[in-house]
Amino acid sequence: DAKTTQPTSMDCAEGRAANLPCNHSTISGNEYVYWYRQIHSQGPQYIIHGLKNNETNEMASLIITEDRKSSTLILPHATLRDTAVYYCIVLPSGNTGKLIFGQGTTLQVKP
Amino acid sequence: DAGVTQSPTHLIKTRGQQVTLRCSPKSGHDTVSWYQQALGQGPQFIFQYYEEEERQRGNFPDRFSGHQFPNYSSELNVNALLLGDSALYLCASSRDRDTEAFFGQGTRLTVV
Repeated sequence: DAKTTQPTSMDCAEGRAANLPCNHSTISGNEYVYWYRQIHSQGPQYIIHGLKNNETNEMASLIITEDRKSSTLILPHATLRDTAVYYCIVLPSGNTGKLIFGQGTTLQVKP
Repeated sequence: DAGVTQSPTHLIKTRGQQVTLRCSPKSGHDTVSWYQQALGQGPQFIFQYYEEEERQRGNFPDRFSGHQFPNYSSELNVNALLLGDSALYLCASSRDRDTEAFFGQGTRLTVV
């Protein structure tokens, strides 16, 4: 069962930052927060993951609160191609890759 | 690098029939997982193969079975198809215990 809670949908203006929240209040000390996205008619795509420190890569930034009960995925300059369903997933360290997807957040980037 | 490839892309089967879906993992990957995604839902984990053995299994009936070959490619078999098996079937590959999984484009199965 999914251990995360995300809003069903969000809108964002093209060129603006998209901030996608995720609640994971029951996260354990050895569990990581992962983000994947799924563009329509494609397979999910890995975005970023983190344990407790903020992380940044070429796609996005991940901000995890100090108590680790919630996090925010930030797309700094959203484009129309970022329109997708975004999934927040928690995984223990050493997990063999069994991903438990919830309903995710449908992000609509508008011109 | 071709990434994860799945075949066929689309398939129509009749209720009661059997189907085999195929997956070739990304180069260098030895672990293959299968997911079922019903329309409007997130993907659901079916099972995972590593070293030609089923390592983990989700909450799916025995009608769903799989196989992994020495070259790490994999097959998903579904017997006695039901209308409810209509879905997008996704294959994901990774290196053992690696943190990032790569997904294929999926096979769209329609059972009529």
